[in-house]
Amino acid sequence: GEDVEQSLFLSVREGDSSVINCTYTDSSSTYLYWYKQEPGAGLQLLTYIFSNMDMKQDQRLTVLLNKKDKHLSLRIADTQTGDSAIYFCAERGPNDYKLSFGAGTTVTVRA
Amino acid sequence: DVKVTQSSRYLVKRTGEKVFLECVQDMDHENMFWYRQDPGLGLRLIYFSYDVKMKEKGDIPEGYSVSREKKERFSLILESASTNQTSMYLCASSRSGQGAKRYNEQFFGPGTRLTVL
Repeated sequence: GEDVEQSLFLSVREGDSSVINCTYTDSSSTYLYWYKQEPGAGLQLLTYIFSNMDMKQDQRLTVLLNKKDKHLSLRIADTQTGDSAIYFCAERGPNDYKLSFGAGTTVTVRA
Repeated sequence: DVKVTQSSRYLVKRTGEKVFLECVQDMDHENMFWYRQDPGLGLRLIYFSYDVKMKEKGDIPEGYSVSREKKERFSLILESASTNQTSMYLCASSRSGQGAKRYNEQFFGPGTRLTVL
């Protein structure tokens, strides 16, 4: 199956930028996603990027995609305490529905 | 507001019991999924269904079965629960169609934390 890897933990000071990195192995990926899971909740889609794009910006979120290196990152500007959560990177291959998820990065925002 | 609901937030069962986890979505989605979430392993796909009565194995189907008799409902069954099935179980649904042209967001339920003693 496809492999998606991300670091497990990130600690960031409130107001700083957070950068979460992800690598994947499937060169036929069509969409790549970032999901957020707050404590006690299911996953919620934060943003996604189509594989023919290299950047997408949405308010405080910036997604960068390096397709050659199969590297995806999520930057959160001005990180707030409400950004403390687990962030999952996921990729979708050419079929219609199956996603492969990374292990999740737990982001802790400290005052 | 779109919604995926799961029958229980917490469940405690004994080894050998038959366990049913229910998931309902109100978005008329064709696709439904069952994942288990374990620390350090992320989400692993157990089974998915792309239509009523249709199912396909995911990455870790052993010890599980599923049922989809109605479009809105997808059930996960543990025929004989074992302690290594203690986990968080997440259900999700998504729209189908148009292949790679749609980003096909998966919507998740809140999860069921199952403990098998």
